[in-house]
Amino acid sequence: NAGVMQNPRHLVRRRGQEARLRCSPMKGHSHVYWYRQLPEEGLKFMVYLQKENIIDESGMPKERFSAEFPKEGPSILRIQQVVRGDSAAYFCASSRSPEAYEQYFGPGTRLTVT
Amino acid sequence: GEDVEQSLFLSVREGDSSVINCTYTDSSSTYLYWYKQEPGAGLQLLTYIFSNMDMKQDQRLTVLLNKKDKHLSLRIADTQTGDSAIYFCAESPTATGKSTFGDGTTLTVKP
Repeated sequence: NAGVMQNPRHLVRRRGQEARLRCSPMKGHSHVYWYRQLPEEGLKFMVYLQKENIIDESGMPKERFSAEFPKEGPSILRIQQVVRGDSAAYFCASSRSPEAYEQYFGPGTRLTVT
Repeated sequence: GEDVEQSLFLSVREGDSSVINCTYTDSSSTYLYWYKQEPGAGLQLLTYIFSNMDMKQDQRLTVLLNKKDKHLSLRIADTQTGDSAIYFCAESPTATGKSTFGDGTTLTVKP
């Protein structure tokens, strides 16, 4: 049973470019959560999605950031016009239901903005 | 809003016990977690405790919860060099699945 998969593992973008981060949840999991980890900090919740729905986006910056989880395919976190402050590790987690007490984390995508 | 706080660093000798502490502010926290993160890696769920429990033991790990003081601790018995990592405390209220994390405690185990 494959775990949560994220790609790419490392992504380098120049200021002003777009970054697309992908997350494939564990088999049977329909709930996906995105977190951001700035250097030497803890993880900060960004958004919670179910298939085709955004349930809670209270942690998403108001501009440039969007997320989706289509009926088919991985969840995508999209950052438009990246800035240096977007450099961070972005982690995806999945669970079987919102009440699940365990979220399984992917290995993360480390975004570097030059 | 919710807040989770941890001490930043802990250093112990191999074979000793490690105790990592965490405090949280959200009274509605139902699930409390400990995660381990090794350099360059994702988070590994170590253990969790429900808010109606006081203690949970899992092999070398013991979690203690003082709900009145909103204090959570993780004790690692017989600490090994392989336990060197960053340990995150996290809490989640019922149903949302959304977790609030502390900034992590870096555990260094000296031989």
